[in-house]
Amino acid sequence: DSGVTQTPKHLITATGQRVTLRCSPRSGDLSVYWYQQSLDQGLQFLIQYYNGEERAKGNILERFSAQQFPDLHSELNLSSLELGDSALYFCATSSGRYQETQYFGPGTRLLVL
Amino acid sequence: AQKVTQAQTEISVVEKEDVTLDCVYETRDTTYYLFWYKQPPSGELVFLIRRNSFDEQNEISGRYSWNFQKSTSSFNFTITASQVVDSAVYFCALESNFGNEKLTFGTGTRLTIIP
Repeated sequence: DSGVTQTPKHLITATGQRVTLRCSPRSGDLSVYWYQQSLDQGLQFLIQYYNGEERAKGNILERFSAQQFPDLHSELNLSSLELGDSALYFCATSSGRYQETQYFGPGTRLLVL
Repeated sequence: AQKVTQAQTEISVVEKEDVTLDCVYETRDTTYYLFWYKQPPSGELVFLIRRNSFDEQNEISGRYSWNFQKSTSSFNFTITASQVVDSAVYFCALESNFGNEKLTFGTGTRLTIIP
């Protein structure tokens, strides 16, 4: 158990809908990273927050957004969902110091029908 | 640009055999970190090791060992006396300042240990 929690574990929704994925970091971790794992794209970095501020952006679609709250939990919002958004979404957290190890949550498996 | 290549898509070995998973990386940065993660069938990503670019010593942890060679930009992972519980997808990853601290993953190697 990495200490990182993600909810929900599974999510089934329809195209065009909006969903919110939640991540709670390990105690003391200030950085949250979101990754998407799909069959065709593999594991890809989406976005990073550090202590409430966006720090780095990767291959995140404009339909997706994220934020980190004062209690350091983070939410990833996916809107106007398409079939191709079906994937496993991981969050990872680290202490936030330069290049510390990222510990991953169990992931949220999203299925868009 | 950063890149991690895991050329072995799938490997199958009989239990108790040794197996080596290859990882080759590319980065322009002189300071970087290399990682291995394990993804068992249950789906979570389990951290195995982190190695910085200035430490080329090989590391051993039980049946696992890692060989880091900057000269060939490789960070290979060996499992000795494999067990069925080692069956998983293994990812090599790279993090560097140039990459803004995000992890760049290889495509993974699916390891199957045959009882």
